[in-house]
Order: sequence, then structure tokens, then C-alpha cells
Amino acid sequence: GESVGLHLPTLSVQEGDNSIINCAYSNSASDYFIWYKQESGKGPQFIIDIRSNMDKRQGQRVTVLLNKTVKHLSLQIAATQPGDSAVYFCALTGGGNKLTFGTGTQLKVEL
Amino acid sequence: EPEVTQTPSHQVTQMGQEVILRCVPISNHLYFYWYRQILGQKVEFLVSFYNNEISEKSEIFDDQFSVERPDGSNFTLKIRSTKLEDSAMYFCASCYFGDQETQYFGPGTRLLVL
Repeated sequence: GESVGLHLPTLSVQEGDNSIINCAYSNSASDYFIWYKQESGKGPQFIIDIRSNMDKRQGQRVTVLLNKTVKHLSLQIAATQPGDSAVYFCALTGGGNKLTFGTGTQLKVEL
Repeated sequence: EPEVTQTPSHQVTQMGQEVILRCVPISNHLYFYWYRQILGQKVEFLVSFYNNEISEKSEIFDDQFSVERPDGSNFTLKIRSTKLEDSAMYFCASCYFGDQETQYFGPGTRLLVL
């Protein structure tokens, strides 16, 4: 079955530093990947997505990298701010339209 | 900016009671979803709905669950006879097209079964 895992449950960074959150997946048929941010008591908020025909995609302060060879996905946040503190989930689809979520990484930004 | 809305934000019910969770997806979206998140765990897919029928469901979505789009705007999740383990956050999501399209999530309904 599908499984999605993250390397670290908690990531602490200093304000202004760059953050890198990683995600590994198992299904090589996965073709669409999304990063969501979830603040306490709220629903997942879309950050950035990438399709399997791409290796990299950039947004405002965020970059997603996809390495299909090793089935690895990462989210890079530049100049991390206190407002970036949240749980970050990777999610993916493959052969259907349901999202399979990872377990989440808690990002803590220290002042 | 259009957004998915959900009501109620919190629901407390007794075990064995029926609950209906309501969602208003983004107006031009065609695909609708329910997910749940047990406290401290990851978000889990329950069901997807398109063209007035279920398109996919997980093993969690058993006979106690049903979904309905009673009119042009609402999308509901019914749990017929709630169990303690149904306590979770329930998220509605919608997207315009389907696979490989961004799903936008509502704020969730926190369900507590006593």
C-alpha cells in the first residue's frame, strides 16, 4: 500500500535561516505532490505543488524539489519567519484523486 | 478569495448518535472530499465524490458513513451511529478538476464522541 514518511518529527530553526523539510514516499506511480501547512486548529493550507514531470518548482520563499529516483521530496523555506511555525505535510496522489498524507513535521522558529 | 467552509466548528455527541457534518465547497469546484485527522496523527482520506456519486472511498468509510450533495452548494458527511473512535477533526476539501489538481481544505469540524 501507499506510505509516506518524513525524516524528522520536529525541526527547529532560527528566524532568518533557511528550513528544509523532507519527505520520502514508496509508490513510484505517484505523479502529483503537494506540500501543505497546518496551523493549530486549522485545516491544511496549500503551499506549493509539483508534478512528476518536474524536478523543481519555486514559489514565494518556498521551493519544492522532487527526486523520483530515490522517491524523495523536500520543501525549502527561505528566510524562515515566526509565521512559518506550523506542521508541514507532504501529500501525494497516484492513480486516483485521493491524497495520501505524510505524518507531518513540526517546524519551530526560534527568535 | 473563495474558500471551503464547514459547520459546525465543534460537535459533541453521545456514542450511538447520528451526526451530520456540513461543508460548502468552492463554488466552481467539481470534486469533493472528506478527510479525517485523529488528534496527533496524519490526515486520512475517507471519500471522494464527483458527479453525484462516490468515486473512491477508503476502508475507514464503512456502512456507518454516507455522503450527500443535497443541493447545489452543500456537501455533507453523515455518521449513522457514532463510536468513540470516530472522535477526530473532519476536513472537507474540493478541487476543480480531480487528479493532479490542488485540493483546498476547509477549517474542519472537531467531533468528540462521548
